Amino acid sequence: GAVVSQHPSRVICKSGTSVKIECRSLDFQATTMFWYRQFPKQSLMLMATSNEGSKATYEQGVEKDKFLINHASLTLSTLTVTSAHPEDSSFYICSASFQGWGETQYFGPGTRLLVL
Amino acid sequence: DAKTTQPPSMDCAEGRAANLPCNHSTISGNEYVYWYRQIHSQGPQYIIHGLKNNETNEMASLIITEDRKSSTLILPHATLRDTAVYYCIVRASNAGGTSYGKLTFGQGTILTVHP
Repeated sequence: GAVVSQHPSRVICKSGTSVKIECRSLDFQATTMFWYRQFPKQSLMLMATSNEGSKATYEQGVEKDKFLINHASLTLSTLTVTSAHPEDSSFYICSASFQGWGETQYFGPGTRLLVL
Repeated sequence: DAKTTQPPSMDCAEGRAANLPCNHSTISGNEYVYWYRQIHSQGPQYIIHGLKNNETNEMASLIITEDRKSSTLILPHATLRDTAVYYCIVRASNAGGTSYGKLTFGQGTILTVHP
């Protein structure tokens, strides 16, 4: 149980384009989903928290107009990196939690984004 | 948020127990201790969590001191596949805590299991 998937696992795009990353909870309903970013040799940094049906809460320093988050259902959240630039190249990881399970976060496998 | 302190790296021989320490001296009464690990280029994997009692599951055991200021994650029989970065994180369990819902990752402990 508690399986979270992400798609795609790896994406390469040109500078200025937008990239959408999907995060799905496969065997449970995620009341809350989280998006993290991890640069090489660094730890995970929380970008935003989203609850199903409501707007995401962004961490300080994260541009909400650049990183669009949609949590339209209890099993799907999407992160869209708009007008991506090389400095957005990173490892993006989502996690999901279910209130009834004590809110332990279960992580997806991550998406490696490379912007050329 | 309560902070945690972990050694940057540890070694362990395959088949032996790996004991990973964590200090969290400013932990509050409503904060749980969570352990995750991250194998290279993968998302973090949940291991175990606890409030004040010792916990055990199929992956590991968590020993929390009586004053809750420190804990130890025990992998009873380490294998090469246990080589990873291990994160000890303190997180509030209900609304109102400043760390409610959030996991703040530090640098963790790089555990290397060698043959």
